[in-house]
Amino acid sequence: KNQVEQSPQSLIILEGKNCTLQCNYTVSPFSNLRWYKQDTGRGPVSLTIMTFSENTKSNGRYTATLDADTKQSSLHITASQLSDSASYICVVSAPYSGGGADGLTFGKGTHLIIQP
Amino acid sequence: GAVVSQHPSRVICKSGTSVKIECRSLDFQATTMFWYRQFPKQSLMLMATSNEGSKATYEQGVEKDKFLINHASLTLSTLTVTSAHPEDSSFYICSARDPWGPYNEQFFGPGTRLTVL
Repeated sequence: KNQVEQSPQSLIILEGKNCTLQCNYTVSPFSNLRWYKQDTGRGPVSLTIMTFSENTKSNGRYTATLDADTKQSSLHITASQLSDSASYICVVSAPYSGGGADGLTFGKGTHLIIQP
Repeated sequence: GAVVSQHPSRVICKSGTSVKIECRSLDFQATTMFWYRQFPKQSLMLMATSNEGSKATYEQGVEKDKFLINHASLTLSTLTVTSAHPEDSSFYICSARDPWGPYNEQFFGPGTRLTVL
């Protein structure tokens, strides 16, 4: 069964500090891995998308890594800001086969709180 | 990136009434849209896949007669919650897939908070 596990479930850090969120998956075959930021009461917004051949991708203060051999990904946030408080969701995509779900498997997310 | 809108953003209704939620892709045409449901502190759960010009595909356990989906154009899908009850209260999120993008990516709407009294 395809699964995406994220850790930690929740995290509290002080403003200005760095943090790293983890994502392990068992999805196979693999097409790409996505990290989304979801603010409370809002829809998810894409941060990065990585394919099999990409090891690292950055988007501002967000840097995602992917190890397709060990099926692990991380999202590193540098110099955290209060606005980074949100849920971060890891989503792994299998090749689109035309069926329902579009081949996406969602993690449960890491709830991040940045304290001043 | 591509933009997806939802309307309304928030709705409160009485038990037994029907509620319609609209999902629009603003700057691209989406042959496929998706409807998700999210409970507090839970991940998104796919309810159905909406295909333009054809019937929606529902996930197991989702009542098709209760959650009516219409995808009448390449930029609009609607979800109607019929005879809503308090247990239908949830956060409903739609997404639209951009078939021309490099990753076949889904873009999510801002969500609709439904509260049934």
